[in-house]
Amino acid sequence: QQQVKQSPQSLIVQKGGISIINCAYENTAFDYFPWYQQFPGKGPALLIAIRPDVSEKKEGRFTISFNKSAKQFSLHIMDSQPGDSATYFCAAGASGNTPLVFGKGTRLSVIA
Amino acid sequence: KAGVTQTPRYLIKTRGQQVTLSCSPISGHRSVSWYQQTPGQGLQFLFEYFSETQRNKGNFPGRFSGRQFSNSRSEMNVSTLELGDSALYLCASSLNSLPTGELFFGEGSRLTVL
Repeated sequence: QQQVKQSPQSLIVQKGGISIINCAYENTAFDYFPWYQQFPGKGPALLIAIRPDVSEKKEGRFTISFNKSAKQFSLHIMDSQPGDSATYFCAAGASGNTPLVFGKGTRLSVIA
Repeated sequence: KAGVTQTPRYLIKTRGQQVTLSCSPISGHRSVSWYQQTPGQGLQFLFEYFSETQRNKGNFPGRFSGRQFSNSRSEMNVSTLELGDSALYLCASSLNSLPTGELFFGEGSRLTVL
């Protein structure tokens, strides 16, 4: 049973455009929502994370928007650059002894 | 500070064989988690070890096992390999066992089963 649904599977964005990746979850016990970025040949690395006490978190060009009532969260990449081309994974975790659950990933290609 | 080190990086096995993968976490990190990454399924949790104890286990058959040593290094073993076991196996370490802390991933061990 997939607990975190991520869309789209792939995304092509023009340089300078906005990339938007969406995730939805079912488990209301989740209280930690990170995004990981993975470049080819590398392991995923934490990009940005949010907790449900805020609706938005911004770090540079990357913003997480969180909608607790809809059980959805999204990653927005402003002014997308070719160097942002990577696979992005959303994830969700719950306080206590449970592992992070990852979405299936979105392959982002930013073209010039 | 050295990152998470996984060995071997690449390996090819045949069906029925077994394989052992190794992971050295970041110094001071006591939690090690293992994930299987495949193109269709993304990252799927295998198990987590903390202070030599398995804290969590994912929904994988008993052919998949692991352990952690007193220096926090971890190994995972897959016995009686099947074609479907071909994947990138990622190890991640974290400072403690809380799931809401940052995971630091290694570059993975890519297993091909022929």
